[in-house]
Amino acid sequence: NAGVTQTPKFQVLKTGQSMTLQCAQDMNHEYMSWYRQDPGMGLRLIHYSVGAGITDQGEVPNGYNVSRSTTEDFPLRLLSAAPSQTSVYFCASNGGVSETQYFGPGTRLLVL
Amino acid sequence: GENVEQHPSTLSVQEGDSAVIKCTYSDSASNYFPWYKQELGKRPQLIIDIRSNVGEKKDQRIAVTLNKTAKHFSLHITETQPEDSAVYFCAATPTGTASKLTFGTGTRLQVTF
Repeated sequence: NAGVTQTPKFQVLKTGQSMTLQCAQDMNHEYMSWYRQDPGMGLRLIHYSVGAGITDQGEVPNGYNVSRSTTEDFPLRLLSAAPSQTSVYFCASNGGVSETQYFGPGTRLLVL
Repeated sequence: GENVEQHPSTLSVQEGDSAVIKCTYSDSASNYFPWYKQELGKRPQLIIDIRSNVGEKKDQRIAVTLNKTAKHFSLHITETQPEDSAVYFCAATPTGTASKLTFGTGTRLQVTF
């Protein structure tokens, strides 16, 4: 199993551009989440999903959209990038109540 | 929503000594408390977790304690080794799963020779 994969590893955007961060898992996990990590602020939840077709907002959802059309994929969309969205983005998945949460390798995003 | 505070922000210990990291949470409904270790440039990895129906859990050199009344939980690492050097994050959630976590701001642990 590849576990949780994320693409791209690194991306530079200009203010106002849009892009999609890809996340996929091959563990048949129901739960998937997106976090952003900024220096001194830990990880903050952006959006999460408890199954295909079901998503909900986390702590910092503004400026981000998600969808969950399949169990495997959970893309994160930035519609109009802003410098405040410069961060490292982690996708994570877990299989249920007693399951370990696995993180992807992260995507480092720089918005100029 | 939930708010998690973590102390200290940095911790330096000598090899072989013990390290303790403390977290407090605000939502009395929180019932799942994981701890993650993140090495420089790597992804966070779960090292231990505890649920609200348990007061203490141990896994080799790592232990976690939970005080529901005071709403705080702690990570204890004994006989520290250089490879324990990393950033440690606590987290809490009222959902019982790892899908909606609120994280602390992290503790950078440095184990020196």
